[in-house]
Amino acid sequence: QQQVKQSPQSLIVQKGGISIINCAYENTAFDYFPWYQQFPGKGPALLIAIRPDVSEKKEGRFTISFNKSAKQFSLHIMDSQPGDSATYFCAARRIGNNDMRFGAGTRLTVKP
Amino acid sequence: DAGVIQSPRHEVTEMGQEVTLRCKPISGHNSLFWYRQTMMRGLELLIYFNNNVPIDDSGMPEDRFSAKMPNASFSTLKIQPSEPRDSAVYFCASSLMRETEKLFFGSGTQLSVL
Repeated sequence: QQQVKQSPQSLIVQKGGISIINCAYENTAFDYFPWYQQFPGKGPALLIAIRPDVSEKKEGRFTISFNKSAKQFSLHIMDSQPGDSATYFCAARRIGNNDMRFGAGTRLTVKP
Repeated sequence: DAGVIQSPRHEVTEMGQEVTLRCKPISGHNSLFWYRQTMMRGLELLIYFNNNVPIDDSGMPEDRFSAKMPNASFSTLKIQPSEPRDSAVYFCASSLMRETEKLFFGSGTQLSVL
């Protein structure tokens, strides 16, 4: 049962462009929405996260936009760089539950 | 800090054989998670421990899978007998129990069952 749906499956962006990855969730009990970045041969690493009491969080070139009523959140990577090329996973966690639900992942390629 | 350490990095075995995957969490972390990653199903939580005690093993696919955490610095995931459909990347992650939303993943074990 997929509780977090992620799109697109893959994304190609030119250097300097904006990368946008979208996620939608079903369970309104989710209270924490992180994004993980995974490079080949490595485990996922926490990139940025947001809680549902705010609509946006920015850390450097990475921004999460959160729409609670639509049950959607997205990752924006500004001024995308070739070093950002990786697979990105959105995730969600339910209140009082340690079972983090992951999206299917988006493979981002930033062309120089 | 060396991060979460998993071994082996790669494991190739034949169907029916026993497979043991190992994990050393970050020192001081008291929650440990085992995930499986496949193309078809993505990242799935198999089991997690708090203070070395298994809390939720509902994600363990079958009785062929078992996990132990004998102490705070070591955990194993065992598959016996292994089957080709078990082929996947298995990740171990750890966190502080008060911050289980902040998972730190190891580099994973690529398991291939022939």
